[in-house]
Amino acid sequence: DTGVSQNPRHKITKRGQNVTFRCDPISEHNRLYWYRQTLGQGPEFLTYFQNEAQLEKSRLLSDRFSAERPKGSFSTLEIQRTEQGDSAMYLCASSLGDYNTGELFFGEGSRLTVL
Amino acid sequence: AQTVTQSQPEMSVQEAETVTLSCTYDTSENNYYLFWYKQPPSRQMILVIRQEAYKQQNATENRFSVNFQKAAKSFSLKISDSQLGDTAMYFCAFMKHAENNNDMRFGAGTRLTVKP
Repeated sequence: DTGVSQNPRHKITKRGQNVTFRCDPISEHNRLYWYRQTLGQGPEFLTYFQNEAQLEKSRLLSDRFSAERPKGSFSTLEIQRTEQGDSAMYLCASSLGDYNTGELFFGEGSRLTVL
Repeated sequence: AQTVTQSQPEMSVQEAETVTLSCTYDTSENNYYLFWYKQPPSRQMILVIRQEAYKQQNATENRFSVNFQKAAKSFSLKISDSQLGDTAMYFCAFMKHAENNNDMRFGAGTRLTVKP
């Protein structure tokens, strides 16, 4: 399978704990995006990388959230001191960076439940 | 700021019939893309169809077509000959046409159920 891969698929944690999600994009894609999706809503943009550079962060991304893409390949999204409001599906997407198409390729998501 | 509105939280259609999902958006941009993405239950989102705002011709992809009304900022999706596999959440999305495309904005989605 050469699609976008996300791990873990599900994570249940207690409030206050730290969690980390990993995303492996399609190998030739240089752009990588993180979105958050809550029940009954569409995905909300969190942050975006071009290669290893983090070019934009949404104001939704509080100080407890950090994302990295150290070698321009896989990316991690860490949430520190989790809160119940962080419960959501975290989606990763990648693209070739060809703005003439605009298409994003999504992973299946990592579902976080904070108890 | 760009916003995308889908006013139909849920819809249903009989198999083999046609259904239209509505989407409106608000932007001051002139060049942009519009998308319909499909999210089947417990599966990843996949692109259904894409429209470039500078193109007047409505995009079509097999059984899927759009009605793009730029002046009205409307972008509806028509699904013809509906199939059971079309059951999914459908999201309308907007992205401005820029080299550093980044912020794809999504609507809240429409849950479509195709009934046998």
